[in-house]
Amino acid sequence: SQQGEEDPQALSIQEGENATMNCSYKTSINNLQWYRQNSGRGLVHLILIRSNEREKHSGRLRVTLDTSKKSSSLLITASRAADTASYFCATDEMDFGNEKLTFGTGTRLTIIP
Amino acid sequence: DTGVSQNPRHKITKRGQNVTFRCDPISEHNRLYWYRQTLGQGPEFLTYFQNEAQLEKSRLLSDRFSAERPKGSFSTLEIQRTEQGDSAMYLCASSPLGQIYEQYFGPGTRLTVT
Repeated sequence: SQQGEEDPQALSIQEGENATMNCSYKTSINNLQWYRQNSGRGLVHLILIRSNEREKHSGRLRVTLDTSKKSSSLLITASRAADTASYFCATDEMDFGNEKLTFGTGTRLTIIP
Repeated sequence: DTGVSQNPRHKITKRGQNVTFRCDPISEHNRLYWYRQTLGQGPEFLTYFQNEAQLEKSRLLSDRFSAERPKGSFSTLEIQRTEQGDSAMYLCASSPLGQIYEQYFGPGTRLTVT
C-alpha cells in the first residue's frame, strides 16, 4: 500500500515560478527522499533528508521535514521546462531501515514555457 | 553507461504466458530491489536482495512471481501464468550496502498482458 500522499496531485505553473509540493506519510521513518520521474522512464533521486533534519537544500531544491506532522515539502525555485515530471516522496520505515522504500502517489508538475 | 539496466524495455504477452525480466545493477552495489508501478501511481515494493539472498518479499508478490539473483550480480523476475492485472512497469533499483543511500533505478520493463 502507498505510505505517502502527495499534494497536489497535479500542478501547472509558468516557467520561472516556484513550485511547491507536499507529502504526508503514516509511520515513523529513518529518512525521506524525493525522486523525479520523467514520462514513462525510471526514477532519479533528487534529495534525501534524515529524520533528525528539518531542512535541506540542493541547488534549486529545498526540502523541509516535520516529523511531528509526518509531512515534508519540496520547493523547486525558478522552474524550468525541464522540471516537467512527476515527483514522488519515498520513506523507509524506522523498524526496517533502508531495505525498501514506500512511495507516495506523486505530484505531476507541468512547467509552461 | 554504468547505470542500472533492464531488459527487455517492453514486453507484450498473452494472458497465461510466462515472462522473465532481467536487471543488471550497478556493479559494486550489493542490494537490488524490484518495484512495480501502475499508471498514475507510485512504485510499490516487491522484493529485495542483499547479494544473492532474498531478504524480504511483499505480500504483493504472489506465488506466480519469483525472483532470483543467483550470483549476487544480475537478477531475474519471472511471472508465471500472467494475468491482465500484471500489466505494469517493473522497476529495478540497486544501492550500496551501508547506512543510508538513495536507490538507483533502471528505466523499467513495461509489461502489457493482452
